[in-house]
Amino acid sequence: GDSVTQMEGPVTLSEEAFLTINCTYTATGYPSLFWYVQYPGEGLQLLLKATKADDKGSNKGFEATYRKETTSFHLEKGSVQVSDSAVYFCALSDRYGGSQGNLIFGKGTKLSVKP
Amino acid sequence: DAGITQSPRHKVTETGTPVTLRCHQTENHRYMYWYRQDPGHGLRLIHYSYGVKDTDKGEVSDGYSVSRSKTEDFLLTLESATSSQTSVYFCAISEGRGHQETQYFGPGTRLLVL
Repeated sequence: GDSVTQMEGPVTLSEEAFLTINCTYTATGYPSLFWYVQYPGEGLQLLLKATKADDKGSNKGFEATYRKETTSFHLEKGSVQVSDSAVYFCALSDRYGGSQGNLIFGKGTKLSVKP
Repeated sequence: DAGITQSPRHKVTETGTPVTLRCHQTENHRYMYWYRQDPGHGLRLIHYSYGVKDTDKGEVSDGYSVSRSKTEDFLLTLESATSSQTSVYFCAISEGRGHQETQYFGPGTRLLVL
């Protein structure tokens, strides 16, 4: 079945450092890919998404490119801030494939940014 | 903001008692979902609904039932709560169609079963 694998954390960075969180997927169809962010004590917020190969999603300085050839959707940010400290989840959805529209999540990566 | 509220936001209960969590949406979305979040597991789907009275099981449905008698409310019931059901529960709705379909989440309910 469909699945998502993301790098395990926690990840600790200094402010202004470059961030990469790796995410790879397996899917039977042609999924849409998502990054969600969960700030401490809060629910999940959609950070960005991409719906087809080579699409780049971007929001709040974060970017991720849908790479079909490597089945990856890595999250990047050029300069992190303390306020980016959160748990980041990679997810896929495929209404016409294995997941039938349900979100399949990775286990989450906790990011801590130190001043 | 997808207009999703969950109640209660926090609940402590005892093993063996029934518990019902409510998800309410104000924007007439057809699809609604219940997930649980546990450390080391990410979020896992419990049940989902694709319309009034239309529901189906997810990955971790054992011990849970759901009901959707009107579009705006999706109820999750633990018939007899167990300690393994201590978790954070999130409701979600789905917007868009096909590859543009995107889920948005409520604020969550933190449940502790003693």
